Amino acid sequence: SQKIEQNSEALNIQEGKTATLTCNYTNYSPAYLQWYRQDPGRGPVFLLLIRENEKEKRKERLKVTFDTTLKQSLFHITASQPADSATYLCALAQAGTALIFGKGTTLSVSS
Amino acid sequence: DVKVTQSSRYLVKRTGEKVFLECVQDMDHENMFWYRQDPGLGLRLIYFSYDVKMKEKGDIPEGYSVSREKKERFSLILESASTNQTSMYLCASSLGLGTGTGNTIYFGEGSWLTVV
Repeated sequence: SQKIEQNSEALNIQEGKTATLTCNYTNYSPAYLQWYRQDPGRGPVFLLLIRENEKEKRKERLKVTFDTTLKQSLFHITASQPADSATYLCALAQAGTALIFGKGTTLSVSS
Repeated sequence: DVKVTQSSRYLVKRTGEKVFLECVQDMDHENMFWYRQDPGLGLRLIYFSYDVKMKEKGDIPEGYSVSREKKERFSLILESASTNQTSMYLCASSLGLGTGTGNTIYFGEGSWLTVV
């Protein structure tokens, strides 16, 4: 069956460290993958998109990688700050249908 | 900026009531979606619409229906609310669908529905 897994429900790190979140999938062949941020009680907000032919994408302190052989995407936040604390969702795009979301990883950055 | 507006932020309804959740987007997007989000279950797609009057079932359509009479408006209807429909409901829109360009989804702020 098709499955998207984000490596852990919760991740706790110290301010200034790099946070690495993982998104694994099985039985999909996504054309691209997206990452969203969700704050408590709010709707998710789009952060980054990476296509299947791209290895890496960067935006400010964010970096996403996409390995279609491993069927995995890694999402990095460098020099993390308490304001980065949120839930991060990965989502896959498939032909003719809506995005499919993982359950999310809740990141807590402590000062 | 794209704006997706959900008419009600918090609702409390009784079991058996008919419930309408309204959503409006202002970016002329073709596609609109209704998700529900529950702790430990993540975002689950209820229905989506790729054009006016067109709809497709998502993963959990049972107990729900939708209406899209105008491009900018997408309504979720709970015909007879039950306690297991207590949840956060998120409306969203996108320009594209599937693997085409513009598939980025823009979400509303969510509607918290409690059924008692």
